[in-house]
Amino acid sequence: RKEVEQDPGPFNVPEGATVAFNCTYSNSASQSFFWYRQDCRKEPKLLMSVYSSGNEDGRFTAQLNRASQYISLLIRDSKLSDSATYLCSEDSSYKLIFGSGTRLLVRP
Amino acid sequence: SAVISQKPSRDICQRGTSLTIQCQVDSQVTMMFWYRQQPGQSLTLIATANQGSEATYESGFVIDKFPISRPNLTFSTLTVSNMSPEDSSIYLCSVLGPRPSGANVLTFGAGSRLTVL
Repeated sequence: RKEVEQDPGPFNVPEGATVAFNCTYSNSASQSFFWYRQDCRKEPKLLMSVYSSGNEDGRFTAQLNRASQYISLLIRDSKLSDSATYLCSEDSSYKLIFGSGTRLLVRP
Repeated sequence: SAVISQKPSRDICQRGTSLTIQCQVDSQVTMMFWYRQQPGQSLTLIATANQGSEATYESGFVIDKFPISRPNLTFSTLTVSNMSPEDSSIYLCSVLGPRPSGANVLTFGAGSRLTVL
């Protein structure tokens, strides 16, 4: 079993839609989780950190469910510019392990 | 967050040759990491490079194939040795650094896109 698993998508949604991604992790001892955004041919960039209390930043909400060992990312009011690959990651002893990414396509 | 400069940004190499990728950070950092991202895949950690000690390699990666140097707290190199087409990938340098909130987060360089013919 992979340490971090994501649905690869693509998720194809219209502008203005709300979309949610889940990511499961296997290491129950992991304390920190992150969502990164990666645009085509670019390096990943940190989108949000996810802590036990969750995190909200504008249209983006990240939550952690320890009991079921998954994190989620909710994007409200999708914009065309949200089209990208979203990578979740867990902090495993100061090194980040990444999922395979979920591709989001926002159409006009 | 730290600013990371990586070079070369891309290269095309012949099989059997070696390529060294350089990573320069604008501040001193303890932990540097080298990742690989193969076409259509996610990021796979190759090794952790700490100044003053040998790199720690992840399962499936060995020093003979991917030698790493870390001469100081702002610089590291990764060499891809005796390359084959399977080594075609993007290689990313990253550093763990603090944010104003105090949490450590990973910042990536722009990556080095390697194509092996």
